[in-house]
Amino acid sequence: TQLLEQSPQFLSIQEGENLTVYCNSSSVFSSLQWYRQEPGEGPVLLVTVVTGGEVKKLKRLTFQFGDARKDSSLHITAAQPGDTGLYLCAGAKAGGTSYGKLTFGQGTILTVHP
Amino acid sequence: EAGVTQSPTHLIKTRGQQATLRCSPISGHTSVYWYQQALGLGLQFLLWYDEGEERNRGNFPPRFSGRQFPNYSSELNVNALELEDSALYLCASSLGGTGRYQPQHFGDGTRLSIL
Repeated sequence: TQLLEQSPQFLSIQEGENLTVYCNSSSVFSSLQWYRQEPGEGPVLLVTVVTGGEVKKLKRLTFQFGDARKDSSLHITAAQPGDTGLYLCAGAKAGGTSYGKLTFGQGTILTVHP
Repeated sequence: EAGVTQSPTHLIKTRGQQATLRCSPISGHTSVYWYQQALGLGLQFLLWYDEGEERNRGNFPPRFSGRQFPNYSSELNVNALELEDSALYLCASSLGGTGRYQPQHFGDGTRLSIL
């Protein structure tokens, strides 16, 4: 059972376009992380959101955590070829058997063409 | 500041053999996490060590084990290797568990191939 559903799985766009990646769950998370991974490398942390309704901006990237802390989105404005990569959302829960572990979505492979 | 370092970069083994993967956390981090990234399965949580103790374990068989040393570095051992163990094994580190989630920072992984 995939606890975090990411969509779309693949995204191919032209430079300058905008895009949104979604991460949805039926479970509540105490925090949600977004990572970007390039071939041959490990995931690089982009942002952590912890409060329902929270919005964080990182240059052209905007991250939002849903009010109920069950979903999140990543919006990229005016995409550039350098944004190409695998984007992963990962949720953390507090306590019990979930303590310390991240649950990852399947990932979104983004390709930005010049 | 050096990031999380993993060795070796690549490891080739045959079925039934044993593999040892190593991880050095970011300086000041006391928690180490191991994840498996297999093709088509995404990242799956394996193990979490903090202050030398195993704190949590994912749904993997007992032949996946590890330990954390006094300098907070860690080893992942996989015994009786099977073809399905072929994957990228990622190590992450964070500040110690305080009851509040601490962001995890990843190394570049060890690519384990089973022939």
